[in-house]
Amino acid sequence: NAGVTQTPKFRILKIGQSMTLQCTQDMNHNYMYWYRQDPGMGLKLIYYSVGAGITDKGEVPNGYNVSRSTTEDFPLRLELAAPSQTSVYFCASSYLGAVEAFFGQGTRLTVV
Amino acid sequence: GQQVMQIPQYQHVQEGEDFTTYCNSSTTLSNIQWYKQRPGGHPVFLIQLVKSGEVKKQKRLTFQFGEAKKNSSLHITATQTTDVGTYFCAGPITSYDKVIFGPGTSLSVIP
Repeated sequence: NAGVTQTPKFRILKIGQSMTLQCTQDMNHNYMYWYRQDPGMGLKLIYYSVGAGITDKGEVPNGYNVSRSTTEDFPLRLELAAPSQTSVYFCASSYLGAVEAFFGQGTRLTVV
Repeated sequence: GQQVMQIPQYQHVQEGEDFTTYCNSSTTLSNIQWYKQRPGGHPVFLIQLVKSGEVKKQKRLTFQFGEAKKNSSLHITATQTTDVGTYFCAGPITSYDKVIFGPGTSLSVIP
């Protein structure tokens, strides 16, 4: 079982560039989440989805977009990258909001 | 909106000492979950508490859920270097709600 897979693991972007962080899960989970974690800080919720076709904003959605066309995939799009988006991004999934969440290995993004 | 706080933010202990972190929510939670993140790693689920006043143990770790379902604690007895990491509490307001994480408590253990 692969669980939650994130790609890429590392990326360096120039200011103003765009990119998509990929996240896929093979556990048939309904809920999927994107968090960012700045150095030495906690997890901030960017966007989440409770099922295919449904997405909602979290605490820090500005500068990001998501889509959920399938149960398995939940890509995160960064448009016009800014240095403030330098962070580690974690994707997670769970069957429901009330149960154990499984995290991917993370994507370490640097914007220069 | 819902807020989840944790104290302390950092804790340095001598190996063998006990450690406790506290979690407080601004709203009543459906359940409380605890995660551990090792340095450079990703959060890993430890346990979930559902009932008011519930206490669960995992070896040297004791987890407690408050009577009002708004607070929780994690106690580690006789810390070891393998306990190093950040401990997060998290919880949804309802069973179908999103999970909000606390800011975490970073534990350092001095050998």
